[in-house]
Amino acid sequence: LAKTTQPISMDSYEGQEVNITCSHNNIATNDYITWYQQFPSQGPRFIIQGYKTKVTNEVASLFIPADRKSSTLSLPRVSLSDTAVYYCLVGDNRGSTLGRLYFGRGTQLTVWP
Amino acid sequence: DADVTQTPRNRITKTGKRIMLECSQTKGHDRMYWYRQDPGLGLRLIYYSFDVKDINKGEISDGYSVSRQAQAKFSLSLESAIPNQTALYFCATGRLGNEQFFGPGTRLTVL
Repeated sequence: LAKTTQPISMDSYEGQEVNITCSHNNIATNDYITWYQQFPSQGPRFIIQGYKTKVTNEVASLFIPADRKSSTLSLPRVSLSDTAVYYCLVGDNRGSTLGRLYFGRGTQLTVWP
Repeated sequence: DADVTQTPRNRITKTGKRIMLECSQTKGHDRMYWYRQDPGLGLRLIYYSFDVKDINKGEISDGYSVSRQAQAKFSLSLESAIPNQTALYFCATGRLGNEQFFGPGTRLTVL
């Protein structure tokens, strides 16, 4: 399983765009990049997943460069409720890694008023 | 109703006691997982199951056992609880792919 590296913490203010970058130098050809969000005392929640270039949904955008060794989660116009831990994971979406996800320590995002 | 439920939500027990944590899901997923989270750390996989007849160890299975009683039920047991098993335990379900759905968690304290 490819490991990931991401900042331990980030701070932002309401209304700003937040970009959280994740490094995954050993990503395999079949690996997808997945981001989860976790609020205190709750289980993680899937946010977005992508393989290459850009993916956007109603919550976030995910940017993946051509070499796929890193990815950036972009949260537009954050609010106080976006304060959470964000996890970047890589894994084979077909299941050859048997659905095992590696959750590192994640990035604690704190949004200030 | 929640798709993934865990019982109990909180439990305090003593060293040496046997504890069972239960997980039920209504999502119809084949895959179920048990994770443990310690303060300030990410989640670590304890056991996972891809169907009723399939049980696999995760990163930290020592001291734990599981039972997949049905597609919708996956139980985690601590045969003889010890203080360093004090943690937040999450059950999750999923299909093929990297999207997993987590329960609300069980906070376990072993005195």
